[in-house]
Amino acid sequence: DAGVTQSPTHLIKTRGQQVTLRCSPKSGHDTVSWYQQALGQGPQFIFQYYEEEERQRGNFPDRFSGHQFPNYSSELNVNALLLGDSALYLCASSPPHRETQYFGPGTRLLVL
Amino acid sequence: AQKITQTQPGMFVQEKEAVTLDCTYDTSDQSYGLFWYKQPSSGEMIFLIYQGSYDEQNATEGRYSLNFQKARKSANLVISASQLGDSAMYFCAMREFHSGGYQKVTFGTGTKLQVIP
Repeated sequence: DAGVTQSPTHLIKTRGQQVTLRCSPKSGHDTVSWYQQALGQGPQFIFQYYEEEERQRGNFPDRFSGHQFPNYSSELNVNALLLGDSALYLCASSPPHRETQYFGPGTRLLVL
Repeated sequence: AQKITQTQPGMFVQEKEAVTLDCTYDTSDQSYGLFWYKQPSSGEMIFLIYQGSYDEQNATEGRYSLNFQKARKSANLVISASQLGDSAMYFCAMREFHSGGYQKVTFGTGTKLQVIP
């Protein structure tokens, strides 16, 4: 049983560019959450997707947007990249009506 | 105010000894959940243990146990018989339910544990 997968593993962009990160949840999981983890910090909640809708959002600007597909996979899009967007982006999935989130290996984004 | 507080930026423990990592939380919800995650240098967050606010027994998972003291709002992680592979960052996190069934998980700043041979 494959765990949560994310792509790409690493990414380098320049300021002002746009980026799309992808996440495939564990089999049977229907909820996907995205987190940003800056160096030396704990993960910060970006948003959560369920039934193809964003149902909860953290304190992130509208430059951060997402999508969930019918197969429960998800994308995180970040527009107009800033240097401060450099971080590890983690995706987590959880099964129906269960509390525990399982994380993927993350995508390391570097903005130059 | 911080919702999750981990006051130990770094900890050392001798191999085969037990260690306690501290976590306090702040919430006005009656229903919430507390988690501990391990993050090795590779970056992946590994789920260790979960405690629900209504669970009367402390959660245990193998060498991990969660010392849940609800009145003091603390949820300390105890690792027994430490192994070299336990060296990692450890994060305490809290899940809160919001209206409409939304869940939001808040993480602490982490504790870096180093196991000494």
